Amino acid sequence: NAGVMQNPRHLVRRRGQEARLRCSPMKGHSHVYWYRQLPEEGLKFMVYLQKENIIDESGMPKERFSAEFPKEGPSILRIQQVVRGDSAAYFCASSPGRDSEQYFGPGTRLTVT
Amino acid sequence: SQQGEEDPQALSIQEGENATMNCSYKTSINNLQWYRQNSGRGLVHLILIRSNEREKHSGRLRVTLDTSKKSSSLLITASRAADTASYFCATDVLLVAAGNKLTFGGGTRVLVKP
Repeated sequence: NAGVMQNPRHLVRRRGQEARLRCSPMKGHSHVYWYRQLPEEGLKFMVYLQKENIIDESGMPKERFSAEFPKEGPSILRIQQVVRGDSAAYFCASSPGRDSEQYFGPGTRLTVT
Repeated sequence: SQQGEEDPQALSIQEGENATMNCSYKTSINNLQWYRQNSGRGLVHLILIRSNEREKHSGRLRVTLDTSKKSSSLLITASRAADTASYFCATDVLLVAAGNKLTFGGGTRVLVKP
């Protein structure tokens, strides 16, 4: 059973470009969470999704950020018109249920130049 | 302090010693989880302790939870150089409708010197 997969592992974008981050949850997991980590800080919750539904997006900026978890395929975190402040590590986690351990992927390190 | 705040922020010990770090939180929780993160890497889940549990063990790890004080501790016994990492506690807040989003503290950076 492969763990949570994220790609790409590293992503460099110029200011104003779009960034697409992908997350494939563990097999059998239908709950996906996205977190952002700034250097030397803990992770901050962004959004929680179940298949085809956004359950909680209270941690996601209202503009430029969006997330989806389609019926088929990975979950996507999309950042439009990136700015330098978006540079961070973005982690995806999955769990089999609401009240279960969350298993994290290796993260995508986004650098905006 | 923030929900899920670790103390100390950094800890330096010799191999073979025990390492203890604490986590405090503010609101009622469903469970509390401890994670390890090696530099520049993803998070590894260590232990989940539920609000009705007081202590849990896993190998060289021992976690306690005191809901009356809203605090938890992680003890690593007989530390090894490979235990060098940042350790985070994460609280799963009781929510009726939404899922169990985790709130992380700033972490404790542990250095185990050989």
